[in-house]
Amino acid sequence: AQSVTQPDIHITVSEGASLELRCNYSYGATPYLFWYVQSPGQGLQLLLKYFSGDTLVQGIKGFEAEFKRSQSSFNLRKPSVHWSDAAEYFCAVDTSSNTGKLIFGQGTTLQVKP
Amino acid sequence: NAGVMQNPRHLVRRRGQEARLRCSPMKGHSHVYWYRQLPEEGLKFMVYLQKENIIDESGMPKERFSAEFPKEGPSILRIQQVVRGDSAAYFCASSPLSNTGELFFGEGSRLTVL
Repeated sequence: AQSVTQPDIHITVSEGASLELRCNYSYGATPYLFWYVQSPGQGLQLLLKYFSGDTLVQGIKGFEAEFKRSQSSFNLRKPSVHWSDAAEYFCAVDTSSNTGKLIFGQGTTLQVKP
Repeated sequence: NAGVMQNPRHLVRRRGQEARLRCSPMKGHSHVYWYRQLPEEGLKFMVYLQKENIIDESGMPKERFSAEFPKEGPSILRIQQVVRGDSAAYFCASSPLSNTGELFFGEGSRLTVL
């Protein structure tokens, strides 16, 4: 069965430090891949998506993610974290030909130290 | 352009009562999705609807849960005879006719069952 794993439940980084959030998926082919961010009490906002082509994708708010087929990974990165980035981050895959039926990881909560 | 509107934002029900959650998709969007987020978990797909049609309800519990998206008016997720385990955040998302794979999420409806 398809699945998404985010190994880190909580991550704390200092403001200005770099960030990498891990995401691994289990699926036979190349899925459509997404990263969403959820601020407390809010809905989810799309940060970036990968469908095909260049394996390094740029998103909003200075985030980027790299698709690595050999590792079945789609890790999210940001060179310099801001305090406003504190939120919960979800990796998701769409394995049903881009229909919007997403499988989400459990999420990673990011805390940012001043 | 208003985003996805969900109401109520918070709903408290006693065991055995009915809960009705409403979702108005973004203007121009004809695809609606419902997801459930249990505490400390990621979002789980429930149902995918287009106007007057249920396209995929593979994530819906077999009993007590139903969803509709009528020709006029919002999509409604209905939970009959609620139990404590139904306590969760229910998120609605919509996407446009030309599905890009990006879902636009509402802020969620948080159901508490006493």
